[in-house]
Amino acid sequence: EDQVTQSPEALRLQEGESSSLNCSYTVSGLRGLFWYRQDPGKGPEFLFTLYSAGEEKEKERLKATLTKKESFLHITAPKPEDSATYLCAVRGGSQGNLIFGKGTKLSVKP
Amino acid sequence: DAGITQSPRYKITETGRQVTLMCHQTWSHSYMFWYRQDLGHGLRLIYYSAAADITDKGEVPDGYVVSRSKTENFPLTLESATRSQTSVYFCASSEQAGGLLGGYTFGSGTRLTVV
Repeated sequence: EDQVTQSPEALRLQEGESSSLNCSYTVSGLRGLFWYRQDPGKGPEFLFTLYSAGEEKEKERLKATLTKKESFLHITAPKPEDSATYLCAVRGGSQGNLIFGKGTKLSVKP
Repeated sequence: DAGITQSPRYKITETGRQVTLMCHQTWSHSYMFWYRQDLGHGLRLIYYSAAADITDKGEVPDGYVVSRSKTENFPLTLESATRSQTSVYFCASSEQAGGLLGGYTFGSGTRLTVV
């Protein structure tokens, strides 16, 4: 069964304190791993798609990496405005729909 | 305005009533999806549609009905609402299957409370 597990569930950082979020997955034949950001009261917002092990994508203070078993979302020198829940998803199942993890809630304190 | 719009934003209904959540997108995306988001479960797929008049079940379809007579609209109906259907519902659209190019684009959600 295709599965996505994110850790930690919650992460508190001080402004400028770099860290990483983890997304481990089990899927038969990865056809894409996706990262989303979700702010309170809003829908998820697309950040990155990764397709193959070794691939990396960057956007401002965020960098996503992919291995054969997991993906990391690295946050460098975070700011309070980076506070949000970060969701990971993989394309899986027989129809290839996105399967989401439960998310990591990131809080960045000034 | 371009985008994906969900209505209503908030809804309170009674157990046993029928309620319809609306979703409208302006991009003419082929694929549309309905997810529910609950604490401890994350986003779970209810139904999806690959094109007008083509719909299919997701992970948690029981108690829900969808239709797609026009490409831009994808309403979700709870035929007889139950308290377990209290949740936040998100509609999403995508140009391609699995959101290959730019991922799914989500609406702002409908918070449904069944009392």
